[in-house]
This record gives sequence, C-alpha cells and structure tokens, in this order.
Amino acid sequence: ELKVEQNPLFLSMQEGKNYTIYCNYSTTSDRLYWYRQDPGKSLESLFVLLSNGAVKQEGRLMASLDTKARLSTLHITAAVHDLSATYFCAVDEDWGAQKLVFGQGTRLTINP
Amino acid sequence: GAVVSQHPSRVICKSGTSVKIECRSLDFQATTMFWYRQFPKQSLMLMATSNEGSKATYEQGVEKDKFLINHASLTLSTLTVTSAHPEDSSFYICSARAGRRTNEQFFGPGTRLTVL
Repeated sequence: ELKVEQNPLFLSMQEGKNYTIYCNYSTTSDRLYWYRQDPGKSLESLFVLLSNGAVKQEGRLMASLDTKARLSTLHITAAVHDLSATYFCAVDEDWGAQKLVFGQGTRLTINP
Repeated sequence: GAVVSQHPSRVICKSGTSVKIECRSLDFQATTMFWYRQFPKQSLMLMATSNEGSKATYEQGVEKDKFLINHASLTLSTLTVTSAHPEDSSFYICSARAGRRTNEQFFGPGTRLTVL
C-alpha cells in the first residue's frame, strides 16, 4: 500500500525567510504532484513531476523529485504572506487504477 | 484547458433527503473520474473511481448504496448521497483524468454539503 507523508504538518514562518516542505512516499512511483489549497477552496495544481531529478520552479516556489530516495521537496524562497495556504503532495500508484494518494498536507502560515 | 466544474458549489439539506452532485469535464473527455471527501483540516480521502459506462470502484469503508456514482458519459459523473445524515456533511471534490501522458487529475471546485 502506498503511503505518503509530509513534514512538517504545520509551519509558521516570517516573510522573507526560506523553508522546505518534505514529501516522502513508500513505494515506487515516478509521478508526483504538488497542490495548494486555500481555505474553503478546492485544489490548485502547482507542479507535476514526472521523472527522477525533475525540478520545476514557479515564482518563489521550487519543487524537486528524487525517485530513488522516494522524496520530493517544495522549497519556498523569501516567503510572502500570499503564500499562506495548505500544501499537499500526492503520488500516483504505479499499478491498477493508478489512484492518487495524498499526504496529510502542510499548513503554512506566513507572518508579516 | 482541462477545466472541471462541479454543481452545486454549496448545498444544505435536511436529514433523510438525497443530494446529487454533478462533475463535468468542460474541455476534455475524461477516461476516469474520481470522487474525494475532505473533512475540515484533513487531507483528501478517495471515495471511489469511476470509468464511463462501468460500475464505480469504491474504496474500503465507503458504502456503495449510500454514495451512488453514475458515470453516464465521458464528460459527466454524478455522486448521489442517499438518505443524508449530519455525519455526511463534508467537502466533496471530484477530479477527472484525461488519460494523457502525465496521468494528471484535474480537480473540480468542490461541493460543500451541510446536512441539518
């Protein structure tokens, strides 16, 4: 059974600081996704990572994937208040219906 | 591209009534649609997977007689919560997959169900 774990689950940081959210998963897969969720809203797709060593950047966010370590990171550079949200990683099962398994989510609060 | 809509966005109903939620892929044909449920401050939990023209596959612990899923076409899936009770109150999110190389699921905006 595929399990996905995020760390940390809660993160409070100051504007201008850098931080990293980690996403570990338990079985082989080479498709990992990062989403953002604002309160009361659905998911917004941030990154799609499809191969080992994939790195993608959008603004102050950068995501990477190491399929050998079964680890993805979401790095936040010089955080701003607008990035406050809950961030989820999710991994496709590599078999059957290829269901998406979500991490617990990381609730990020950025203080002025 | 890859837009998924849900209707209604919010519904309040009395206990014992049934509620139908629609999920549509607006600009692509969805080979597979998924229904998720999210309780406050928790992650998304997959309820069922549906393919057009076939019966839905339910996750363990999800009552198929309570949560009826119909995938009538490649652009429409419906979830009916039958005989709703307050514990069914939740945020229901659908997603659709186009079967492209990325295997990516595209998520609807969600439906907030409140059962009184």
